[in-house]
Amino acid sequence: EPEVTQTPSHQVTQMGQEVILRCVPISNHLYFYWYRQILGQKVEFLVSFYNNEISEKSEIFDDQFSVERPDGSNFTLKIRSTKLEDSAMYFCASSEAYRETQYFGPGTRLLVL
Amino acid sequence: GNSVTQMEGPVTLSEEAFLTINCTYTATGYPSLFWYVQYPGEGLQLLLKATKADDKGSNKGFEATYRKETTSFHLEKGSVQVSDSAVYFCALTPVGSSASKIIFGSGTRLSIRP
Repeated sequence: EPEVTQTPSHQVTQMGQEVILRCVPISNHLYFYWYRQILGQKVEFLVSFYNNEISEKSEIFDDQFSVERPDGSNFTLKIRSTKLEDSAMYFCASSEAYRETQYFGPGTRLLVL
Repeated sequence: GNSVTQMEGPVTLSEEAFLTINCTYTATGYPSLFWYVQYPGEGLQLLLKATKADDKGSNKGFEATYRKETTSFHLEKGSVQVSDSAVYFCALTPVGSSASKIIFGSGTRLSIRP
């Protein structure tokens, strides 16, 4: 069964450093998403992406964040200058079409020191 | 605004017990409703969904019915197993311009004793 994959599974970085989280969505899916879950808190929507542009973003997704689909398979989330409060589990998801079921990857646990 | 409220955990039950996890929502119109499950060390998996009022979603013995009148989507299972131990998230996708995102509840951790 096709699945969303994410790398790395864990990442530790120093405050102020740039990180790139990578995702490979399901191959025939057209919509891509990032969510995050700070430890002990709700899963929160960050951004959705379609047709090589952001279709929606939350208030959390400020100028420090960017997304890109650099080739036909990868979907990345970049945090330009990490803060302590960026420590969280980051989930990538994809869906075949608008409002269709979103399938989630296993997540990347990011720790900012 | 749109939101989901679910019962706080942890919930601990014995094997073969009946399970209910309560979920209520706030949204305009008719959002799509979901239950996602997260097993230890894994990502979020869609457990079941319902897209209109009175729809019943079901999967793996779990059921939930979309109740517009009470704005609820409670998760039930008649006889739980140890393998059902996980965190369960109630969620919705709102109608309208922000329909591409999922809004999650805070999650309910379920532990089943053998």
